[in-house]
Amino acid sequence: KAGVTQTPRYLIKTRGQQVTLSCSPISGHRSVSWYQQTPGQGLQFLFEYFSETQRNKGNFPGRFSGRQFSNSRSEMNVSTLELGDSALYLCASSLGQHNEQFFGPGTRLTVL
Amino acid sequence: QQQVKQSPQSLIVQKGGISIINCAYENTAFDYFPWYQQFPGKGPALLIAIRPDVSEKKEGRFTISFNKSAKQFSLHIMDSQPGDSATYFCAAESGGSYIPTFGRGTSLIVHP
Repeated sequence: KAGVTQTPRYLIKTRGQQVTLSCSPISGHRSVSWYQQTPGQGLQFLFEYFSETQRNKGNFPGRFSGRQFSNSRSEMNVSTLELGDSALYLCASSLGQHNEQFFGPGTRLTVL
Repeated sequence: QQQVKQSPQSLIVQKGGISIINCAYENTAFDYFPWYQQFPGKGPALLIAIRPDVSEKKEGRFTISFNKSAKQFSLHIMDSQPGDSATYFCAAESGGSYIPTFGRGTSLIVHP
């Protein structure tokens, strides 16, 4: 069974640009969560989607948004990039809210 | 405000030794405490988890000890092996939100 896949794996952008990251969950998983990982702040929850609906949202500015499609694939978008947005963005999928999360390898975003 | 404090930040252990990582939390609403293991270039993976109705949970060489009154929990890795070298994160979730709060992580190196 294929694991969680994230594309692209690496991305370099400049300040002010926007970026879209993609996540394909494990087949059959309907819940997708996004996390930001940085050396300074550690792992922080961004948002969670289930059946195309955002169920939970972390404490991030509105520049961070996401969506989930009918096939459970998810995208997250960051607009007006700032230097501080440089991070590893992780996606995790699970069968539902009460189930174990399986993480993808992440997308390493560098903002110059 | 860091709701889950993890220590130490880094740990070096000899092969065969015991690795101990500690976490403390503040929010008494937390009722699920997972530990994740992350290797370089990979996303975190669930290692073991505990709920506050038990004081200890053991899976192979990995044991969680939980002290509800002190609001502390720890991960013990017995007979540590070089393959255990990774970053370990503790986390806490409350039944109401299922949004995990992570500790800052512990980088474990096990020398052969």
